[in-house]
Amino acid sequence: DGGITQSPKYLFRKEGQNVTLSCEQNLNHDAMYWYRQDPGQGLRLIYYSQIVNDFQKGDIAEGYSVSREKKESFPLTVTSAQKNPTAFYLCASSIVGGMNTEAFFGQGTRLTVV
Amino acid sequence: AQSVTQLDSHVSVSEGTPVLLRCNYSSSYSPSLFWYVQHPNKGLQLLLKYTSAATLVKGINGFEAEFKKSETSFHLTKPSAHMSDAAEYFCVVSDLGGFQKLVFGTGTRLLVSP
Repeated sequence: DGGITQSPKYLFRKEGQNVTLSCEQNLNHDAMYWYRQDPGQGLRLIYYSQIVNDFQKGDIAEGYSVSREKKESFPLTVTSAQKNPTAFYLCASSIVGGMNTEAFFGQGTRLTVV
Repeated sequence: AQSVTQLDSHVSVSEGTPVLLRCNYSSSYSPSLFWYVQHPNKGLQLLLKYTSAATLVKGINGFEAEFKKSETSFHLTKPSAHMSDAAEYFCVVSDLGGFQKLVFGTGTRLLVSP
């Protein structure tokens, strides 16, 4: 089955630690995205990538980093510089097209700082 | 910049009664609009999308939405609510630019009582 796989489902981070969230897709999509979801705030874009080895900052990139070494993979690292990382993180992918293309989402990773 | 406003943070209905979730958008162009549904601790699933082909759009699970340019609205409706419809619903507008970037509303939580 084609889709997007995020892992782990739950992740706990200690203060000062970097953690990496995995996102893999087998939809052959060129574009991939990371969103952060907080209660009552909808989804906010962290980073996006339209092609391998290229990515752009979204609206809330501070304290996060990404890489895009393979078309299928777009891992997100939450660094110690991110002061409030507790949130639900969603990865998505889409074709690179016009306005009509929808995004497909993974099941999310819930990150908690302990 | 495009934006979307979901007018209700919570909507409560009884099973078997109609559902109305309201969404207004702001756009300088003819937008693409989407409704996504999210069940607790899950990713987002596309319900339906408007892409200028028809103003009344039918989606999955009996949902539909009508695009009204004069009112800049894209309200989501369902004739008869089911318990399984209880979830959070996001109205989304497609931003113009060199890539597909989605702008999310803050979400409406639908509560369905027996």
